[in-house]
Amino acid sequence: KNEVEQSPQNLTAQEGEFITINCSYSVGISALHWLQQHPGGGIVSLFMLSSGKKKHGRLIATINIQEKHSSLHITASHPRDSAVYICAVRRAQGAQKLVFGQGTRLTINP
Amino acid sequence: EPEVTQTPSHQVTQMGQEVILRCVPISNHLYFYWYRQILGQKVEFLVSFYNNEISEKSEIFDDQFSVERPDGSNFTLKIRSTKLEDSAMYFCASTLAGVNNEQFFGPGTRLTVL
Repeated sequence: KNEVEQSPQNLTAQEGEFITINCSYSVGISALHWLQQHPGGGIVSLFMLSSGKKKHGRLIATINIQEKHSSLHITASHPRDSAVYICAVRRAQGAQKLVFGQGTRLTINP
Repeated sequence: EPEVTQTPSHQVTQMGQEVILRCVPISNHLYFYWYRQILGQKVEFLVSFYNNEISEKSEIFDDQFSVERPDGSNFTLKIRSTKLEDSAMYFCASTLAGVNNEQFFGPGTRLTVL
């Protein structure tokens, strides 16, 4: 069983819609990361969370440590938001490596 | 804004050949990582490096792989004898220090083994 599970795997929406991507994990963590992978393959860090909620522009990330669950929200989605969104966790014990989810492919149609 | 750089962006090699993938982490960062992503699959951890030694490695990182920080700026991943299944995107990342620091990723090197 994967330590990090994301849902949905694929999401298609119309421009302007509110988007939610979910991430569940099964291990104790020290931090959770949301990453964006562009069609060309590059990875950009969006958020790093250990509790609560963070907001950057139209992106909001929340985490519930007790439920081992995080969500990434995009408000007023735009075609340029189309990308793969990846959840990754750093385990509470051990070194600093990240354990990745399989990613959610988001397509925003104009 | 400082960034992690990787060269080359794309490397094509014949099976059995040695390849060296190069990374220049952000200058004041202390922890360095290599990850790989086989096409269509999730990103996987290969190795982490701190204080001039490997701090953790995955099962993937067998004797065919090695890492080195030959000078104060470069961080390299060597694959000694490439196999077809080594074809993947390889990402370098670095972080400043401590368990709750953001990891900064390079743009990746796409390795194709023929």
